[in-house]
Amino acid sequence: QKEVEQDPGPLSVPEGAIVSLNCTYSNSAFQYFMWYRQYSRKGPELLMYTYSSGNKEDGRFTAQVDKSSKYISLFIRDSQPSDSATYLCAMSVNDYKLSFGAGTTVTVRA
Amino acid sequence: GAVVSQHPSWVICKSGTSVKIECRSLDFQATTMFWYRQFPKQSLMLMATSNEGSKATYEQGVEKDKFLINHASLTLSTLTVTSAHPEDSSFYICSARRTGRNEQYFGPGTRLTVT
Repeated sequence: QKEVEQDPGPLSVPEGAIVSLNCTYSNSAFQYFMWYRQYSRKGPELLMYTYSSGNKEDGRFTAQVDKSSKYISLFIRDSQPSDSATYLCAMSVNDYKLSFGAGTTVTVRA
Repeated sequence: GAVVSQHPSWVICKSGTSVKIECRSLDFQATTMFWYRQFPKQSLMLMATSNEGSKATYEQGVEKDKFLINHASLTLSTLTVTSAHPEDSSFYICSARRTGRNEQYFGPGTRLTVT
């Protein structure tokens, strides 16, 4: 079993729809949770960073963490074609090493 | 803020030669930098962790004599792929952790092709 599980998709939604992404994990020691966006042939861009259970909102993005269920989610409201990318969840304990999910490829259709 | 650059963005080299990739944090100090490798349509694989002024820590299965890492200052880390072979062709990405914080910021990546 992988430490971090993420459905690779692909996921295709119409413009304006809500994109829902999620990851599950097995290591209960994970304390820090991140979502990155990666465009083709580019480095990952940090979107959201959280370290507590609950919701965190930033513009059109909402990150949700449920430590009791070992489950994290990212929601993108009012999706745009420019949101088409691969979304990676990542998490770490205190030693700063990130464990990544496989990444979910998202396409937003105009 | 939190910009990380990499140089070069792509490089083609001949088998047997060495290639150096630079990773710089442009607007913050980074005590710790990380080097990743990414194959097409796959997630990032951590190769090594480098701390300023000390030896890098390599992940299991990564040859430290082949992938030389130097973290000489709080804003610069370098990865040298020595005696490169075609199987070393990949997308190499660095990240930098802002000193005192946990967030990692990634560079744009370097595409290495060994012919």
